[in-house]
Amino acid sequence: NAGVTQTPKFQVLKTGQSMTLQCAQDMNHNSMYWYRQDPGMGLRLIYYSASEGTTDKGEVPNGYNVSRLNKREFSLRLESAAPSQTSVYFCASSERLGRGNEQFFGPGTRLTVL
Amino acid sequence: KQEVTQIPAALSVPEGENLVLNCSFTDSAIYNLQWFRQDPGKGLTSLLLIQSSQREQTSGRLNASLDKSSGRSTLYIAASQPGDSATYLCAVTGGGNKLTFGTGTQLKVEL
Repeated sequence: NAGVTQTPKFQVLKTGQSMTLQCAQDMNHNSMYWYRQDPGMGLRLIYYSASEGTTDKGEVPNGYNVSRLNKREFSLRLESAAPSQTSVYFCASSERLGRGNEQFFGPGTRLTVL
Repeated sequence: KQEVTQIPAALSVPEGENLVLNCSFTDSAIYNLQWFRQDPGKGLTSLLLIQSSQREQTSGRLNASLDKSSGRSTLYIAASQPGDSATYLCAVTGGGNKLTFGTGTQLKVEL
């Protein structure tokens, strides 16, 4: 039982390049989330998926797109990376959205945009 | 807009000491509050989840309390150990069913 897994662990991009961050969970959870963590800012929600087939914007969605490929997988895409997107990205999942539901986090992807 | 504050930002204590970490939030209309631990370069590990109807939760040497009306939570760690050194984050689930995080307290337990 791996929980929440993320790939890659580290990535360096040049400005304007694109990439997709992958996330998968094996807990049969309905809801999945993407966060970014920046020094002094805490974790901020980028996008979330309440259930398979649905996605919604979080607090900081600009510059990102997401795909809920199936119940297990939720990917985050940067179409044209910018230095402001240098951050640590975390994927999380919960049994269902919101109230009463504990979120479980992956190990993170450390992204640097030059 | 919900804001979550954690004080102090950093704390250093000798091994064996009992300690309290504080978390405050501005909007008391929350569904639950969650405490996490984050080790350097790692992801977040959930420690305790307190529902809005609960006053406290306990797990081993950890005890978390919640006073929703005053917008406060504390995480009590008994008999601290060097292995407890990490950053501790609190987060609340409020309107929109989304987690709002504090910026954390960095704890160092010294031998």
